[in-house]
Amino acid sequence: AQSVSQHNHHVILSEAASLELGCNYSYGGTVNLFWYVQYPGQHLQLLLKYFSGDPLVKGIKGFEAEFIKSKFSFNLRKPSVQWSDTAEYFCAVNLPYNNNDMRFGAGTRLTVKP
Amino acid sequence: ETGVTQSPTHLIKTRGQQVTLRCSSQSGHNTVSWYQQALGQGPQFIFQYYREEENGRGNFPPRFSGLQFPNYSSELNVNALELDDSALYLCASSPRTGGNEQYFGPGTRLTVT
Repeated sequence: AQSVSQHNHHVILSEAASLELGCNYSYGGTVNLFWYVQYPGQHLQLLLKYFSGDPLVKGIKGFEAEFIKSKFSFNLRKPSVQWSDTAEYFCAVNLPYNNNDMRFGAGTRLTVKP
Repeated sequence: ETGVTQSPTHLIKTRGQQVTLRCSSQSGHNTVSWYQQALGQGPQFIFQYYREEENGRGNFPPRFSGLQFPNYSSELNVNALELDDSALYLCASSPRTGGNEQYFGPGTRLTVT
C-alpha cells in the first residue's frame, strides 16, 4: 500500500547531539514534501517544505531536510538539538495530481534531555 | 493576523448522531483542508475546499461532508457517527490551493460513545 513511513516512533537525545529523522514514501510521480512539528500544547506548524529545485532545504530553527528522489526519502536533520526541540515531528507528502491528497506519517516523538 | 480557529474544542456524541465542526481560516486564506487524527497516528486527509468547492478528497465515506462559505470559513459534517470516528479533527488553511503550506488550528476532540 502507498504510504509515508517514519522509521522512529520515539527518539531520545541529549542536548547538542545531532538529529536525523527518517521519512520514506512510496508514491511515484510528482510529490511535494513537508515536515511539520507539534510542540507540546501547540498546533502543528510547518518546519520546512520541498517542491522543486535544490534537494537540500532549510527550515526554521536550524532544521534542514534532504530530498533523495532515488530513495524516495526526505530525512530531517539538525546538527545540534536543544531542549526546546522536544516535540512530535510529522513528515507529509502532498500528491498534487491525486485529489490534492496530503499523506502524513505516524510521527516521531523527539525528547531532548537537558 | 488571526490564526486558524476551530469550534467546539471538545464534543461528545452518541453513535448514530450527526455532528458539525467549524473552522475559521486565517485571514487571506482561500483554501481549507480537514484532517482526522486518531490517537498515536498522523493526520489523515479528509478533504479540501477551495473557493466553496470541494477540491480534493481522501479515503473517507460520503457521510463525511463539508462546506466552505464565502468568507472561506468551513464546516465538517459527519452523519451516522460510529465509534471509530472518535478522534481529533484538524482544520488547516492555506493561501492557495493544492499542497502549499498549511496553517493548522488547535483541533476539535470528538468522542463517540
